[in-house]
Amino acid sequence: KQEVTQIPAALSVPEGENLVLNCSFTDSAIYNLQWFRQDPGKGLTSLLLIQSSQREQTSGRLNASLDKSSGRSTLYIAASQPGDSATYLCAVPLSNFGNEKLTFGTGTRLTIIP
Amino acid sequence: KAGVTQTPRYLIKTRGQQVTLSCSPISGYRSVSWYQQTPGQGLQFLFEYFSETQRNKGNFPGRFSGRQFSNSRSEMNVSTLELGDSALYLCASSPEGVMNTEAFFGQGTRLTVV
Repeated sequence: KQEVTQIPAALSVPEGENLVLNCSFTDSAIYNLQWFRQDPGKGLTSLLLIQSSQREQTSGRLNASLDKSSGRSTLYIAASQPGDSATYLCAVPLSNFGNEKLTFGTGTRLTIIP
Repeated sequence: KAGVTQTPRYLIKTRGQQVTLSCSPISGYRSVSWYQQTPGQGLQFLFEYFSETQRNKGNFPGRFSGRQFSNSRSEMNVSTLELGDSALYLCASSPEGVMNTEAFFGQGTRLTVV
């Protein structure tokens, strides 16, 4: 059974700093890994999807890496801003058909201090 | 392209009642998945529908059910509500059978059972 863990559960950093969020998964036979952002009481916003054949994926100030062999992914946020404050979740699919069934990590609640 | 639409956004129900939530997926995306999010359990997969058929089901009691219509819109129903059913219910939309394509989520329905 796939288990996805995110450490730390919460993180506070001053504005402007670069930071890394971690995601670990137990079954390395994944097809992709998706990072999401969730604002309080809201739905999930997709940030990045990194395919199993890729090692990195970039979108603006965000960079996601994937190391299947070690069961790890990281989300790097450059030059953090107060608007980046949210909970960040990673997820992997449970089927080989598509992303219809996802297993989510426990999330990291990020606070950027102005 | 319009996003995933969930209605209503908020609901308050009394223990023992039943409730129906609605989800309209992204146009052309025929797979609809439902998730329950609680502070204690995080995000958990409920079920997934494609072409009016339930293809995947999570580990939830039979009080949780759903259906999908020919236009891909989906509803989920919870009968005999319990206090523990209070949660944010999220719906996701993805293209069927297409790997490495992001899943997109709605804003969710916040259900409170009193």
